[in-house]
Amino acid sequence: QKEVEQDPGPLSVPEGAIVSLNCTYSNSAFQYFMWYRQYSRKGPELLMYTYSSGNKEDGRFTAQVDKSSKYISLFIRDSQPSDSATYLCAMSPILTGGGNKLTFGTGTQLKVEL
Amino acid sequence: DSGVTQTPKHLITATGQRVTLRCSPRSGDLSVYWYQQSLDQGLQFLIQYYNGEERAKGNILERFSAQQFPDLHSELNLSSLELGDSALYFCASSVGGTGGSGYTFGSGTRLTVV
Repeated sequence: QKEVEQDPGPLSVPEGAIVSLNCTYSNSAFQYFMWYRQYSRKGPELLMYTYSSGNKEDGRFTAQVDKSSKYISLFIRDSQPSDSATYLCAMSPILTGGGNKLTFGTGTQLKVEL
Repeated sequence: DSGVTQTPKHLITATGQRVTLRCSPRSGDLSVYWYQQSLDQGLQFLIQYYNGEERAKGNILERFSAQQFPDLHSELNLSSLELGDSALYFCASSVGGTGGSGYTFGSGTRLTVV
């Protein structure tokens, strides 16, 4: 079983829809949670990050972390065709020695149609 | 432009050969991370360096090695290449060593082993 599970999609929605993307994880040591967006043939781009549990909002994006359920979500409001990309969740424990290694989900491919 | 520079963008080489991938982090970032992205495995953490020292290690093969130089650029060396090493290799950087606020990825080097 993978440490981080993410539905690969593809997910197709009409423009203006609310999109919900989710990941589950098994490692209770994860403390940092992030969402990245990756366009085809480009590097991942950081969208949101949260530490521990709670919600965080940035414009049309809201990230939620529920550590008790080991479940994180990204909501996109008023989705636009430019949001069409692959969305990757990522998470990391606090490492002794001050290092960091993100564990990524496999990504959900999102297509927002006109 | 993310500020993280990776060269070359594309590399085609034969099995058994050795290649070097280069990464220059964003100005001011002390940490460099290397990731491998393949279709079936997603993004896999290889190794992290912070200010010249190795900080964290993932499932990096013994045929692979990396280093970070005093000017903070990093090189990933891949030797005795196999067909299965064909993938996108990403470098990322962050200011600190913990990377808890996420890091910035470069646009990647696409390696094809034939």
